[in-house]
Amino acid sequence: QSALTQPPSASGSPGQSVTISCTGTSSDVGGYNYVSWYQQYPGKAPKVVIYEVNKRPSGVPDRFSGAKSGNTASLTVSGLQADDEADYYCSSYAGSTFLWVFGGGTKLTVL
Amino acid sequence: EVQLVESGGGLVQPGGSLRLSCVGSGLTFSNYVMSWVRQAPGKGLEWVSGISGSGDTTYYAGSVKGRFTISRDNSQSTLYLQMSSLGAEDTAVYYCAKITTYPTADYWGQGTLVSVSS
Repeated sequence: QSALTQPPSASGSPGQSVTISCTGTSSDVGGYNYVSWYQQYPGKAPKVVIYEVNKRPSGVPDRFSGAKSGNTASLTVSGLQADDEADYYCSSYAGSTFLWVFGGGTKLTVL
Repeated sequence: EVQLVESGGGLVQPGGSLRLSCVGSGLTFSNYVMSWVRQAPGKGLEWVSGISGSGDTTYYAGSVKGRFTISRDNSQSTLYLQMSSLGAEDTAVYYCAKITTYPTADYWGQGTLVSVSS
């Protein structure tokens, strides 16, 4: 099972919005409404910020939003803040055999 | 508060074996699907293995199938990963994670580092 495709980097200035894409196939992203996004700071465990394409866990600011069109999912971070600077990973359910596939990660820099 | 604490990582020679443990607290451990996810140094996340709440059903990534075995002892609220025939490509921080619905993990351990080197 191949990893999902994410851009290696993204950036924006404080207050701006940035969108990170995540491209898979009809066997994962396109086949299920089970896409999650994780935020990871260096040396720390990942934290889920979006699940089931566009749902936010309690405690995650509404500046984080998710969407999906066909085989591509996206994460938008609005009103960028300094502490949004982190690595972001998309992930998708990939069926009953492979279960869980991740993207390669995107390093978000707040300029 | 839910806590997951991994242990068992360390330095192992190529071809060797190692068993990781993950102890859960603050939750009814047997109610939840659990998984192992790893992250090689400077690299992205990779799902390794998953197990049902009862332990009856297990899943493996292709890269570890036949070499790794996931198991759990619900009486001890502990998840295990038995790793054998280890190679340099298995060097990573290994996280245990509590699954709500794949691919969503709402709690993660702090990770344990496995280094495979001679």
